[in-house]
Amino acid sequence: KQEVTQIPAALSVPEGENLVLNCSFTDSAIYNLQWFRQDHGKGLTSLLLIQSSQREQTSGRLNASLDKSSGRSTLYIAASQPGDSATYLCAALFETSDQLTFGKGTKLSVIP
Amino acid sequence: GAVVSQHPSRVICKSGTSVKIECRSLDFQATTMFWYRQFPKQSLMLMATSNEGSKATYEQGVEKDKFLINHASLTLSTLTVTSAHPEDSSFYICSAPGTGGFNYGYTFGSGTRLTVV
Repeated sequence: KQEVTQIPAALSVPEGENLVLNCSFTDSAIYNLQWFRQDHGKGLTSLLLIQSSQREQTSGRLNASLDKSSGRSTLYIAASQPGDSATYLCAALFETSDQLTFGKGTKLSVIP
Repeated sequence: GAVVSQHPSRVICKSGTSVKIECRSLDFQATTMFWYRQFPKQSLMLMATSNEGSKATYEQGVEKDKFLINHASLTLSTLTVTSAHPEDSSFYICSAPGTGGFNYGYTFGSGTRLTVV
C-alpha cells in the first residue's frame, strides 16, 4: 500500500529558529512530491513542487529536498516567523496513480 | 497560474437539506476534478474523481447517491451533499491538475466548511 507519513505530528519552535519538517513515502516510484500549507479552516496553498528528477526546490525561506531512493523529503524553513504557524502537508504523486496521496501533516507553531 | 475558485467558503444548513458546492477553474480547463473531505485533525481523504462529460468515480465507502458530483463543463464541477446530516459536517476541498497535467502539480480550491445542525 502506498503511504505518506509525516513526523512529527506537531512541532513548536521559538521565533527565529530554523526547522525541518519530514515526509516519507513507501514507494520510490513517484512523479513528484508537493508541499502544502494549510491555515486553520482554510484551503491548501501549494508551497513547493519537486519533480522526481529534481533534488530540491527553493522559494524564499523555504527549501524542499527529495531523496527518492530513501523515500524521503524534507521541508526546511529558515528564520521561522509566527506567520509560518500552520499545518504543513506533503503529498506524493505515485507513478501508479493519478491522485495525490497525502500525509497527515505537521502542525507548526512558531512562538513569538 | 492556475486558479480554482470554490464557493461557498462556509455554509450552515439544517439536517435533511441539500447543499451544493461549486468549483470553477478560472484560467484553465479542468478535465478532471478531485473532491476531498477533511475531518478535524486529519488529513485530506479523497472522496471522488470527476471527469468532464462522464460519471464520477467514487472511493470505497463514499455514497454516490449522497454525494452527487456533476462535471458538466471543462470549468465547473459541483458536489451536492444530499439530505445532509450532522456527521456530514466537514471541510470539503476540490482540486484539479494544473496546466500541463498531473505531473505538474495540483491547484486547490479554498475549501468549504459545512456545518449541519
